[in-house]
Amino acid sequence: GENVEQHPSTLSVQEGDSAVIKCTYSDSASNYFPWYKQELGKGPQLIIDIRSNVGEKKDQRIAVTLNKTAKHFSLHITETQPEDSAVYFCAASSIPGKLIFGQGTTLQVKP
Amino acid sequence: KAGVTQTPRYLIKTRGQQVTLSCSPISGHRSVSWYQQTPGQGLQFLFEYFSETQRNKGNFPGRFSGRQFSNSRSEMNVSTLELGDSALYLCASSLLAGAGTGELFFGEGSRLTVL
Repeated sequence: GENVEQHPSTLSVQEGDSAVIKCTYSDSASNYFPWYKQELGKGPQLIIDIRSNVGEKKDQRIAVTLNKTAKHFSLHITETQPEDSAVYFCAASSIPGKLIFGQGTTLQVKP
Repeated sequence: KAGVTQTPRYLIKTRGQQVTLSCSPISGHRSVSWYQQTPGQGLQFLFEYFSETQRNKGNFPGRFSGRQFSNSRSEMNVSTLELGDSALYLCASSLLAGAGTGELFFGEGSRLTVL
């Protein structure tokens, strides 16, 4: 069935370093790949997304890359800051409103 | 512009009871989706509504149901509650309603505890 694998489950970096989170999806019909940041006690917040007709997208310190052939996509955060500490989720979608989420990555940025 | 609003934010129920959760989408958004979040299973899709019609449903038992009203507000209901239903229930709204997929914006969730 539909599945999204996300790695690593936890990631600890020093402030200013880069962080990379990787996801692999199984449904070849997936055409939309969002990334969400969830802080404690809050709902997931969309931080960046990419569609299947695009290979890379960047928004300030955040970038996402997509490799459709390999069915994997990655989130890159540069110049990390303590406020980047949160749980990050990748997701894949082929149907409106239905996201298949990865298991999440807890990112800790040490000052 | 107000975001997605979910009520109540917290509630406690006992096994066998039923619960109704409410979601008001972002103004102008006509698609509403529901997700269950637990530490063990993560974020799982429950169902999606558009124009008062359920378009898609996840792999949950029939005890989980929902509906959408003409003003796009949505409710979900869980009957005969079980301990395993304890979770954060998240509602998300989306503007895009056609064949393509659009950005989903989530609310803060309703935290359900079943005792």
